Amino acid sequence: GNSVTQMEGPVTLSEEAFLTINCTYTATGYPSLFWYVQYPGEGLQLLLKATKADDKGSNKGFEATYRKETTSFHLEKGSVQVSDSAVYFCALSDPRNNDMRFGAGTRLTVKP
Amino acid sequence: AAGVIQSPRHLIKEKRETATLKCYPIPRHDTVYWYQQGPGQDPQFLISFYEKMQSDKGSIPDRFSAQQFSDYHSELNMSSLELGDSALYFCASSSRKGTGEAFFGQGTRLTVV
Repeated sequence: GNSVTQMEGPVTLSEEAFLTINCTYTATGYPSLFWYVQYPGEGLQLLLKATKADDKGSNKGFEATYRKETTSFHLEKGSVQVSDSAVYFCALSDPRNNDMRFGAGTRLTVKP
Repeated sequence: AAGVIQSPRHLIKEKRETATLKCYPIPRHDTVYWYQQGPGQDPQFLISFYEKMQSDKGSIPDRFSAQQFSDYHSELNMSSLELGDSALYFCASSSRKGTGEAFFGQGTRLTVV
């Protein structure tokens, strides 16, 4: 079945460092891919998405490119801020039935 | 726009009691997901439903059960509550006829004393 594997946390970075959180997926079709974020004390919210191969989702300085050849959707940000400290979840949705699968989450802590 | 509604927002129960959490998805959403997030922990997937049928099962204890009703709302029933069940319970909904992205509710905070 479909599944998502993402980089284990926690990840701790200094402010202005470069961030990469790896996400790979297994799917029999061509899923839509998402990154969700949970800030401290809040619920999960959509960060960005990509619906087809080579699409790049971007929001708040974060980017992720849908790579079919490597079945990946890595999250990147060039310069993280303390306010980016949160838990990040990679997810996929199967377009045949829109059934969603989430990764286990990666906790990011950014220190000043 | 209407969002995912969870009720109650807060609930306090004693050990060995039962609790029922409710989730009202976004209108026309047909899929519901339940997550449990313990203090200082990451959300853990419990169970999901599509068109009133269970579609996926995660780390849901046997003491818990859930169902989705004909109006697509879902209820999570928790029996023989334990102190360790104290957590924030999130519900999310999505539509298999849309883009597939899930929208999350604000959560129900359950405290077992």
